[in-house]
Amino acid sequence: QQQVKQSPQSLIVQKGGISIINCAYENTAFDYFPWYQQFPGKGPALLIAIRPDVSEKKEGRFTISFNKSAKQFSLHIMDSQPGDSATYFCAASIGGKSTFGDGTTLTVKP
Amino acid sequence: DGGITQSPKYLFRKEGQNVTLSCEQNLNHDAMYWYRQDPGQGLRLIYYSQIVNDFQKGDIAEGYSVSREKKESFPLTVTSAQKNPTAFYLCASSLAGTSEHEQFFGPGTRLTVL
Repeated sequence: QQQVKQSPQSLIVQKGGISIINCAYENTAFDYFPWYQQFPGKGPALLIAIRPDVSEKKEGRFTISFNKSAKQFSLHIMDSQPGDSATYFCAASIGGKSTFGDGTTLTVKP
Repeated sequence: DGGITQSPKYLFRKEGQNVTLSCEQNLNHDAMYWYRQDPGQGLRLIYYSQIVNDFQKGDIAEGYSVSREKKESFPLTVTSAQKNPTAFYLCASSLAGTSEHEQFFGPGTRLTVL
């Protein structure tokens, strides 16, 4: 049973466009929802995170939208840049233990 | 320069051999984690430890073993019982075993079984 479903698997966006990645979860006990960015051959790094009592969080060009009733959350990357090309993982955490989505490979074309 | 290190970066193993992957952190973090990453899949939790001398199985612990004798070290042994060990292995640590603490990841070890 996959507890965190992420889509799309891959995404191609033109420079300056908006990238949107979606995740859905099943366990309502999850209490923390981070997004990680991973470049090839490297470990993931935290990008932005949100708690379930907040509907939106913005940090620079990155925004998380959270819909608790639908059990969905999404990452929006505004003004996407070629340097944003990477794999993005959503995760849902409880008690320090995280369950990850399968990842989205983002390619931003110049 | 604080961080989390993994060694070696690349590791080759013959079938039937056990191999140990190293993970060290100097961040003074209580919690440490091991994940496995396969192409097209997310990170899957193998084992985690929230305190020295204690650890719990994750979702895919079969064929793996760990120890946590020191706060800064959390080595992972891939045993011959692991049927498909070729993968990218990631170690992570966090300040405490609660959800709102960022997990810091190491650079990973790519294990290939020949």
